[in-house]
Amino acid sequence: GAVVSQHPSRVICKSGTSVKIECRSLDFQATTMFWYRQFPKQSLMLMATSNEGSKATYEQGVEKDKFLINHASLTLSTLTVTSAHPEDSSFYICSAREERGGNSPLHFGNGTRLTVT
Amino acid sequence: AQSVSQHNHHVILSEAASLELGCNYSYGGTVNLFWYVQYPGQHLQLLLKYFSGDPLVKGIKGFEAEFIKSKFSFNLRKPSVQWSDTAEYFCAVGNFGNEKLTFGTGTRLTIIP
Repeated sequence: GAVVSQHPSRVICKSGTSVKIECRSLDFQATTMFWYRQFPKQSLMLMATSNEGSKATYEQGVEKDKFLINHASLTLSTLTVTSAHPEDSSFYICSAREERGGNSPLHFGNGTRLTVT
Repeated sequence: AQSVSQHNHHVILSEAASLELGCNYSYGGTVNLFWYVQYPGQHLQLLLKYFSGDPLVKGIKGFEAEFIKSKFSFNLRKPSVQWSDTAEYFCAVGNFGNEKLTFGTGTRLTIIP
């Protein structure tokens, strides 16, 4: 089946530094990728929708200058957390859709645990 | 805005017990409904989905869910659970024609051998 690889799985960084998280679709082309954030005991919150070759669409309340998303190819989207702060510590999950439209399946990465010290 | 409620945060059952996990959503229009499962240390996987047609949907591993439009519900069921069903279960709803999904907070299921 379709596989989404997310890297790294865990990262610890110091306040003020930037962290890049990669999301790759390994055996399919993903026209749309989604980035979620999950706090402990809470739901997955959609941060942004990433479309190949165009600017990402951010959800209300998500700072686009802080969470930079690049979807340069049909198999790779990256999320860069810039000038990270301890409150950015969270679990970040990407997902990819094979085709446009809500009926095509979503495939999820394993997530990235970010800890900012 | 769409919201999804999963009222059971943690459910503990013995093997062979029957399971029902609740899921309610708020949007009254046409929706696509999903249940995802996350086994320990693994990524989210699709368990089953409903787009249209028969409101009783059968998924993998013996799970099923019933869409009751009048109740805005999409409860997940399994007649006899196994220890390997221990996982976190997420209900998700997509408004028809919209690519985005809204997730519930998840239900942690623990099966006691």
